[in-house]
Amino acid sequence: SQQGEEDPQALSIQEGENATMNCSYKTSINNLQWYRQNSGRGLVHLILIRSNEREKHSGRLRVTLDTSKKSSSLLITASRAADTASYFCATDRGSSYKLIFGSGTRLLVRP
Amino acid sequence: DAGITQSPRHKVTETGTPVTLRCHQTENHRYMYWYRQDPGHGLRLIHYSYGVKDTDKGEVSDGYSVSRSKTEDFLLTLESATSSQTSVYFCAISESLAGGPGEQYFGPGTRLTVT
Repeated sequence: SQQGEEDPQALSIQEGENATMNCSYKTSINNLQWYRQNSGRGLVHLILIRSNEREKHSGRLRVTLDTSKKSSSLLITASRAADTASYFCATDRGSSYKLIFGSGTRLLVRP
Repeated sequence: DAGITQSPRHKVTETGTPVTLRCHQTENHRYMYWYRQDPGHGLRLIHYSYGVKDTDKGEVSDGYSVSRSKTEDFLLTLESATSSQTSVYFCAISESLAGGPGEQYFGPGTRLTVT
């Protein structure tokens, strides 16, 4: 079964708007990671946030983690058409080397 | 891009035949993974390796076996292919961090069709 579940499953926004995706998980984690997948390609790592961190930034990306609610969010600011992709969260369920991926959020950014 | 390749990139095979997919890395990473990706299921872990000759099952390992005789190569074998194994297969590599798994680097994927 999936550990991380993304919400919403699909999101359509206008270029320039912000996009927010959420991830919920069920068990304790060491860290949580976000990945992007362009159509027909492999996944690309975006950001890793440790369980003792609450917020992390990377360029136009902002990730938050609330371990009390077992949830994370990924915010993409000032979206571009090139941000169109599927976004996945992945958690480790306490493992040192294994990740479990959610089923993803499909983001469409309209020009 | 991380030095990770998969072969073949596309394969069509018949039900009941054995199939082997290869993942090759040039990064000398310790951990290697095989996933399958299907619509509605996201990415599911089939098998993984934490060192040469050290492998373990993931969440959907039935019908699959793996081998890792060298650091750089991780082979996935479908012992007797079935139509339910039609999927896109991704290999990934990583190193661990203190206190948890590190980021994973993915190969380009292999599209397998079982007829």
